[in-house]
Amino acid sequence: AQSVTQLDSHVSVSEGTPVLLRCNYSSSYSPSLFWYVQHPNKGLQLLLKYTSAATLVKGINGFEAEFKKSETSFHLTKPSAHMSDAAEYFCVVSDRRDDKIIFGKGTRLHILP
Amino acid sequence: NAGVTQTPKFRVLKTGQSMTLLCAQDMNHEYMYWYRQDPGMGLRLIHYSVGEGTTAKGEVPDGYNVSRLKKQNFLLGLESAAPSQTSVYFCASSYSVVGNTEAFFGQGTRLTVV
Repeated sequence: AQSVTQLDSHVSVSEGTPVLLRCNYSSSYSPSLFWYVQHPNKGLQLLLKYTSAATLVKGINGFEAEFKKSETSFHLTKPSAHMSDAAEYFCVVSDRRDDKIIFGKGTRLHILP
Repeated sequence: NAGVTQTPKFRVLKTGQSMTLLCAQDMNHEYMYWYRQDPGMGLRLIHYSVGEGTTAKGEVPDGYNVSRLKKQNFLLGLESAAPSQTSVYFCASSYSVVGNTEAFFGQGTRLTVV
């Protein structure tokens, strides 16, 4: 069965500095990978998705993620953090073998002024 | 523009009471999912369905039942609510689990069991 590990439960960065949120996955088949964001007391919004067309995926609000099969990673990055990026971020995996969509435990991103 | 709609949005139950959460989608999606969200645990899969009339267990199915009698609706039932079921519940639907597809989520149901 597939699984997702988000390596940091909390990340703090200063406004204007780069953001790195780490995600490793386990899937014995070609996975689909996603990043979702959840702002406080809000629903889930899709940031970006990887579906094997390209290893570097661009999403909304300046976020990117790179799929590295050899490292089984799908880390999320942004060159310059903004205060509005403060939220919880979820790495998500699905594959065709068991029809499940599985979430990581989330990384809460704090932006320092 | 409805997408995925969950009802109710808030509910307070007493221990031992029962209730049903309704998830409705208007995108003709085959796949539907119920999750619960607890602090520090992410979203954990309760049950899911890959089509009308089918259901399957997820990661945390105990204490919950589901039904998918119509393609557009996925019901989550709590037969005898317990305080441990206090959580925020999210429903999702998806056209597929592969390819250029993603899940669409409802706005959540905040359930408190006292």
